[in-house]
Amino acid sequence: DTEVTQTPKHLVMGMTNKKSLKCEQHMGHRAMYWYKQKAKKPPELMFVYSYEKLSINESVPSRFSPECPNSSLLNLHLHALQPEDSALYLCASSQLDRLNYGYTFGSGTRLTVV
Amino acid sequence: DAKTTQPPSMDCAEGRAANLPCNHSTISGNEYVYWYRQIHSQGPQYIIHGLKNNETNEMASLIITEDRKSSTLILPHATLRDTAVYYCIVRWGGTASKLTFGTGTRLQVTL
Repeated sequence: DTEVTQTPKHLVMGMTNKKSLKCEQHMGHRAMYWYKQKAKKPPELMFVYSYEKLSINESVPSRFSPECPNSSLLNLHLHALQPEDSALYLCASSQLDRLNYGYTFGSGTRLTVV
Repeated sequence: DAKTTQPPSMDCAEGRAANLPCNHSTISGNEYVYWYRQIHSQGPQYIIHGLKNNETNEMASLIITEDRKSSTLILPHATLRDTAVYYCIVRWGGTASKLTFGTGTRLQVTL
């Protein structure tokens, strides 16, 4: 298995809703990442997990709450989002025991906040 | 990580080689050059990376100048499916370093 699987592919949520994005990989990668991508812009790093521990938080608002329950799963919990949070949310993973290794990205969850 | 400069857009005829340039004049000795591409509405895809030697894989070739201040990604026989945004990223090779995307080059392959 050489894929990163993200679910759901599309999500519409209201500003008072609570929802979660899920990311899964079975490549044995011990680093996992969340990126946010607005239309016609490059992906922006949000969070990095190394060995299931949060290692980088790029000053992301607390309405985004990441979780890494095990080495294969990464979640992003969403609460009280704003319409400007509508974007493509990308998950990625990479090896930590090999230097200079590329990231594997999922296809993303397209989120619309109404 | 060092910054990169890429042209915002390029065109290439199908079947011809696509040569995508990238300037990274502030690159340091332990930083690698990575290339990713993103086809519309998909996640970015890793293409190739290198330190100072030229590299080739089944997708592309990477040519890095001797002073390492610039590089060129070569798609030897571009097809319509290669139409995408191509990102050149300079990144420290350590496992804890971040992958930071610039604005990239939008490559349009035409018939």
